[in-house]
This record gives sequence, C-alpha cells and structure tokens, in this order.
Amino acid sequence: AQSVTQPDIHITVSEGASLELRCNYSYGATPYLFWYVQSPGQGLQLLLKYFSGDTLVQGIKGFEAEFKRSQSSFNLRKPSVHWSDAAEYFCAVGSQGGSEKLVFGKGTKLTVNP
Amino acid sequence: EPEVTQTPSHQVTQMGQEVILRCVPISNHLYFYWYRQILGQKVEFLVSFYNNEISEKSEIFDDQFSVERPDGSNFTLKIRSTKLEDSAMYFCASTDRRNTEAFFGQGTRLTVV
Repeated sequence: AQSVTQPDIHITVSEGASLELRCNYSYGATPYLFWYVQSPGQGLQLLLKYFSGDTLVQGIKGFEAEFKRSQSSFNLRKPSVHWSDAAEYFCAVGSQGGSEKLVFGKGTKLTVNP
Repeated sequence: EPEVTQTPSHQVTQMGQEVILRCVPISNHLYFYWYRQILGQKVEFLVSFYNNEISEKSEIFDDQFSVERPDGSNFTLKIRSTKLEDSAMYFCASTDRRNTEAFFGQGTRLTVV
C-alpha cells in the first residue's frame, strides 16, 4: 500500500533562511508526487508536482523539490523563506495508472520568525 | 483562475442528523473527489466519482455516505446519520483527467455535537 511520511511535524525558520521539508514515500512502482500548501482558513493549493523526466521540479512561490528514487524521497526546498510562507505543507503520492486516490502525509507546519 | 468552491465553510449539526456538503468543481473537469481531514490527522481519501458513478471508494466510505452530481455543476456529499467521529474538514477536489494533480476547494469544517 502507498504511504507517505513527513518526519517533521513542526519546523521554525527565520525569514530569509533556507528551508527543506522532508517527504518519504512507499510505493511499488513509479509514483506521481505532489506538494500542497494549506494556509489558515484556506484549501489545499498545489505547489508542484513530479510525474516523470527531470527529477528537480520547480513550483510556484519559489519552491522546488527533488525526486530521489534511491531514497524514496521528494523533499521540498526554498532558498529564502518569506513570512508569507508560514503554512502547513503536505506531501502526497498518487498512482500512475492504478488507484485514483492521493495518499497524503500528516503535514509539516512551518512557522517563520521575523 | 478557475477554482473549486465549497459551501458552507463551516457546519454544525447534531448527532444523528443528515448533512449535505456542496461543491462546485472546475467547470471542464470530469473527475470529482471527496477527502476528509480529522483534526490532527492525515488528509484521507473518501471517494472518487466519474461519469455519474463512483469509481473508487475507501473503507471509510460506508453506507452512511453517498455522493451525487445533481446537475451539471454541483457535486455533493451526503452523510445520512452523523456521528461525533464524522467531525472533520471535508475537501472536495476535481481533475480534468485520471491520475493527475487534483485541485482542491477550501474545505467545509463539519462539527457534530
């Protein structure tokens, strides 16, 4: 069965610092991978996705993620965090042809200090 | 930018009552989904819907749940007899094709008292 682990429940960084949010997945074949962000009172907004090809993918708001098959990871990065990036971040895995559902991690809450 | 909209944003209901959560998916999308997130837990898949029928459902989606596309724009989730443990944020999502990125609504927070 598919599963997603986000080991960090809560991360605090200073504004301007770099950020890396970890995501590990378990899936038997090549997955589709996603990062979503949820700001307070908002829905889930897609930051970026990986389907195939270049393992480094760029997303919105200056985020990027790298798919590492050997480590079953899809970590999210941003070189310089802004106060508006404070939110909860969810990694999700989907199937490339089987089940239609997305399987989500528990999320990482990001706090940005001024 | 097209978006998925959900109403209401927050609903409080008494245990045993029926509730209907409403969603308007993106207009040219064909696949529709409901997910839920119990406070402090993961976002969980409930059901997918395509061509006017359920295409996949989770073990959570038992007989108390049903989905419907009553017209060309709305997609609803009905919970027949709510339980305290149904309290959660319910998200609607849609996609234009199978196995691709899903676009989510802002969620309906259901509180069962």
